[in-house]
Amino acid sequence: KQEVTQIPAALSVPEGENLVLNCSFTDSAIYNLQWFRQDPGKGLTSLLLIQSSQREQTSGRLNASLDKSSGRSTLYIAASQPGDSATYLCAVIIQGAQKLVFGQGTRLTINP
Amino acid sequence: DAGVIQSPRHEVTEMGQEVTLRCKPISGHNSLFWYRQTMMRGLELLIYFNNNVPIDDSGMPEDRFSAKMPNASFSTLKIQPSEPRDSAVYFCASSLARGTSYGYTFGSGTRLTVV
Repeated sequence: KQEVTQIPAALSVPEGENLVLNCSFTDSAIYNLQWFRQDPGKGLTSLLLIQSSQREQTSGRLNASLDKSSGRSTLYIAASQPGDSATYLCAVIIQGAQKLVFGQGTRLTINP
Repeated sequence: DAGVIQSPRHEVTEMGQEVTLRCKPISGHNSLFWYRQTMMRGLELLIYFNNNVPIDDSGMPEDRFSAKMPNASFSTLKIQPSEPRDSAVYFCASSLARGTSYGYTFGSGTRLTVV
């Protein structure tokens, strides 16, 4: 059974810092990995999608990497801003099943 | 593109009542997913459809839950009878399966409170 773990569960940093969020998964047989952002009381917003054949994706200040063999992904946020405060969720799509399996998320707080 | 549309946004109901949640996926997407989010268990997949056909309903908690997708533009999740432990946020998501390039779009969710 695929399990997804995100570390840390919560992170608080001052504005302007670069930071890394971690995601690990137990079964490397995945189609792709997707990072989402969730603001309190809101839905999920897709940030980055990395296909299994790719090693990284970038969007603005965000960069996500994928190492299938080790079962790990990282989300790098450069020059953090208070508006980045949210919960960040990592999810993998299982091969042959087409369903997303989510981690528990990292709750990020950026302090002005 | 209006995105995935869910209704209602909030629902408060009494224990024992029937609850129906609705979802309109993105036009052209051929897969639809129902998830439930709670503090204790995070996001859990309840059921998903491909081309309007239920593929995996192993996450549906019990017989009180049922889901239908009568056509490509509409799905419902029904709870009958509802119980306080069903209180959660229910999300609908849709996807266009292009080979292995699956990207998912989520709706804003329905916050259900059963009292």
